[in-house]
Amino acid sequence: NAGVTQTPKFRILKIGQSMTLQCAQDMNHNYMYWYRQDPGMGLKLIYYSVGAGITDKGEVPNGYNVSRSTTEDFPLRLELAAPSQTSVYFCASSGLGLAGGGELFFGEGSRLTVL
Amino acid sequence: ILNVEQSPQSLHVQEGDSTNFTCSFPSSNFYALHWYRWETAKSPEALFVMTLNGDEKKKGRISATLNTKEGYSYLYIKGSQPEDSATYLCAGSNSGYALNFGKGTSLLVTP
Repeated sequence: NAGVTQTPKFRILKIGQSMTLQCAQDMNHNYMYWYRQDPGMGLKLIYYSVGAGITDKGEVPNGYNVSRSTTEDFPLRLELAAPSQTSVYFCASSGLGLAGGGELFFGEGSRLTVL
Repeated sequence: ILNVEQSPQSLHVQEGDSTNFTCSFPSSNFYALHWYRWETAKSPEALFVMTLNGDEKKKGRISATLNTKEGYSYLYIKGSQPEDSATYLCAGSNSGYALNFGKGTSLLVTP
């Protein structure tokens, strides 16, 4: 049972480099989310999507971009990596909207370090 | 953005103790309140999802209540065990789409 799969699990980037964090789910969930976790802070919402072709900004979207061309995939793009983007990134999905009682299913996380 | 506050920040109890945590949030435009359990080196896993004022949910020794009118939720653990050691996250939604998390309560249960 794959659930939510994130790749890569670890990555070190140099300042100014670009990369994409991949997220795929096999549960046919419409709702997908990207969060980042910094020490001493709660999970912060970066972007979310309520279905293929629909995305919206969360609390901390600056420096990131997303796309949702299929139901299964929700990649997160970092265009010009900065040290402030050093964090652990979590992708999550939900089969129901939050108002409908949908819970989030999380991936295992991707630890990104920008030097 | 829904501002979710959790207390205490950390808690250390002995095996067999019962304990509880608090989650507070603005009561306007409320859609849902979630509790997640997050063990070290794992991903957060959902414990409870509550949407209605007065909701009470239970899973084994863990239970939760919701008061949307006054903007708080309690998580209770009865007879804590070492395997209950984890960070417990509370998250709320006032949009129906985005879920905002508190900083969590870190629980350590020692034998």
